[in-house]
Amino acid sequence: QLQLQESGPGLVKPSETLSLTCSVSGGSISSRSDYWGWIRQPPGKGLEWIGSIYYSGTTYYNPSLKSRVTMAVDTSKNQFSLRLISLTAADTAVYYCVRHPPSGGFRLDRWGQGTLVTVSS
Amino acid sequence: QSALTQPASVSGSPGQSITIPCIGTSSDIGDYTYVSWYQQYPGKAPKLIIYDVSDRPSGISNRFSGSKSGNTASLTISGLQAEDEADYYCSSYTSSTTLVFGGGTKLTVL
Repeated sequence: QLQLQESGPGLVKPSETLSLTCSVSGGSISSRSDYWGWIRQPPGKGLEWIGSIYYSGTTYYNPSLKSRVTMAVDTSKNQFSLRLISLTAADTAVYYCVRHPPSGGFRLDRWGQGTLVTVSS
Repeated sequence: QSALTQPASVSGSPGQSITIPCIGTSSDIGDYTYVSWYQQYPGKAPKLIIYDVSDRPSGISNRFSGSKSGNTASLTISGLQAEDEADYYCSSYTSSTTLVFGGGTKLTVL
């Protein structure tokens, strides 16, 4: 059974860079049947799609975050990552890594448990 | 991209049916059959309960059903049970090859 697990710092200072990693188990990050993505949810608020990446490096980003986001795949570690620069308090959220098929419109059928990231000095 | 529009809250009594609408545009819901619905309990990750407008993943109760008309998708829960009390989110693929969510609806079972 495919499982996803986020890891990264729980506290980051304003203006700094957030780096999160998602470890994939029970499947290969290089699978042609999978896209990998990030979703975030500010405390008490709704879900926001950040972006998605294919093992080949093809990426799709939320236009509202595109200028600050970079996603990457590390096939040697079976992981993918998120980098978000120039953080503000508005970036405080639970960050989830997800999986979706390459066709069929981004249905998110596997989720990590989520990791809370707080942006504060 | 603008978020899809959902009511902030809905409620119903056990055994009743409720419907949650999700309003989009001709660039997302209106143009694609790629609408999904997610159920989220407090402190937990969301769970996919409907995809491609009306399909259910394995293990999801047939009390959950989805539909679409024009720019509006809907989630219907029949035979409401206490365990259905949760937050529900719709999402849609868009013409810009992105994903957009609704603001979420809190379902209260009276």
